[in-house]
Amino acid sequence: QVQLQESGPGLVKPSQTLSLTCTVSGGSITSGGYYWSWIRQHPGKGLEWIGYIYYSGSTSYNPSLKSRVTISVDTSKNQFSLKLSSVTAADTAVYYCARTTMAYYDMDVWGQGTTVTVSS
Amino acid sequence: QSVLTQPPSVSGAPGQRVTISCTGSSSNIGAGYDVHWYQQLPGTAPKLVIYGNNNRPSGVPDRFSGSKSGTSASLAITGLQAQDEADYYCQSYDSSLSGSMVFGGGTKLTVL
Repeated sequence: QVQLQESGPGLVKPSQTLSLTCTVSGGSITSGGYYWSWIRQHPGKGLEWIGYIYYSGSTSYNPSLKSRVTISVDTSKNQFSLKLSSVTAADTAVYYCARTTMAYYDMDVWGQGTTVTVSS
Repeated sequence: QSVLTQPPSVSGAPGQRVTISCTGSSSNIGAGYDVHWYQQLPGTAPKLVIYGNNNRPSGVPDRFSGSKSGTSASLAITGLQAQDEADYYCQSYDSSLSGSMVFGGGTKLTVL
């Protein structure tokens, strides 16, 4: 079955760019029928959708983060990535990647999550 | 302030039935977009328990069910068990935000 795994630095300095990668295993990112999403969860808080990408490269972003977010895909590596620029302490969160079905826009497979702390 | 409104907490005794509400508006649930529910156990990633308003993924017990009416949706759990204690989130799509997926603020279910 499809599995997702996030990777990237756990500590980022303020004003820098947060970069994370999600590796998809057990299936192809180009199989179609799915978007590939990033979601975050601030400490002790709820879930916030960041955005998603289709394997063709088309994207959709949360309007509240759109000016700072870039999601890209590398089909040769079966990976997709998140870049969040100009980070502040408010971007400290657990970041999840997830598979989103195009049929329902639900997130049926999730990575385990990775904690990113923004601090100098 | 979440676009979808959930009660902060609900509780029930083992064996009982509980429901968790999710209230939206005419730009999301009321517009006909599907509602999905996730269970998040402490320290773990969310897990899909209901998709498309009332469908259960393979492996999710039939004690979990979903419904939707107007601008609201509900998750019901019957025969409550200790392992059901978790945070539950609803999720839908909102057309007023340039097309954006939105979550409820989450509900903490306590099994007494």
